[in-house]
Amino acid sequence: DQQVKQNSPSLSVQEGRISILNCDYTNSMFDYFLWYKKYPAEGPTFLISISSIKDKNEDGRFTVFLNKSAKHLSLHIVPSQPGDSAVYFCAASRGTGGGADGLTFGKGTHLIIQP
Amino acid sequence: NAGVMQNPRHLVRRRGQEARLRCSPMKGHSHVYWYRQLPEEGLKFMVYLQKENIIDESGMPKERFSAEFPKEGPSILRIQQVVRGDSAAYFCASSPFQASSYNEQFFGPGTRLTVL
Repeated sequence: DQQVKQNSPSLSVQEGRISILNCDYTNSMFDYFLWYKKYPAEGPTFLISISSIKDKNEDGRFTVFLNKSAKHLSLHIVPSQPGDSAVYFCAASRGTGGGADGLTFGKGTHLIIQP
Repeated sequence: NAGVMQNPRHLVRRRGQEARLRCSPMKGHSHVYWYRQLPEEGLKFMVYLQKENIIDESGMPKERFSAEFPKEGPSILRIQQVVRGDSAAYFCASSPFQASSYNEQFFGPGTRLTVL
């Protein structure tokens, strides 16, 4: 039973355009969401996060949107750059203060930025 | 200013042997998490530890797997009598603790276990 779903295994975007990665979740107890980027043979690198009290968080080229009623979040990258080519994981936490729970991950979306 | 360190990076074991994976958290981090990633899958939570305590082991297989985070030294994930299905990438993450806010987890480079 997958509680965090990334339904697009891969996504190809032209350099300079916007990349939109989607994530759905089923567990209404999740209240903190994170995006990680992963290159082959490396560990995941934290990108950006959002708590359930917000609907948007922005950091440079990265923006995460959260729609609690739809249990959906998305990561926007604009403009997309060749170095953004990687696997992106959506993760969720049930942490209540301290956010110390283990994370539940989606299966990832392989983003390919075309020159 | 080292990040999360894991060793070895690659580990090859024959069926029935033991595997020991080590993780040193970032300086100042008191929480350690272990995750396993099977091919073409996302990371799956295994266990969450603080110094000398297992806080949540709900993701750990009931047999052959154990984890510890002693007062001194790295956290250890131990797999006894390994089987081919244990072949995976094992990632360790650490986080600090702030009671009133959420904390990102920072990941190490992983240990790739291959069971022959």
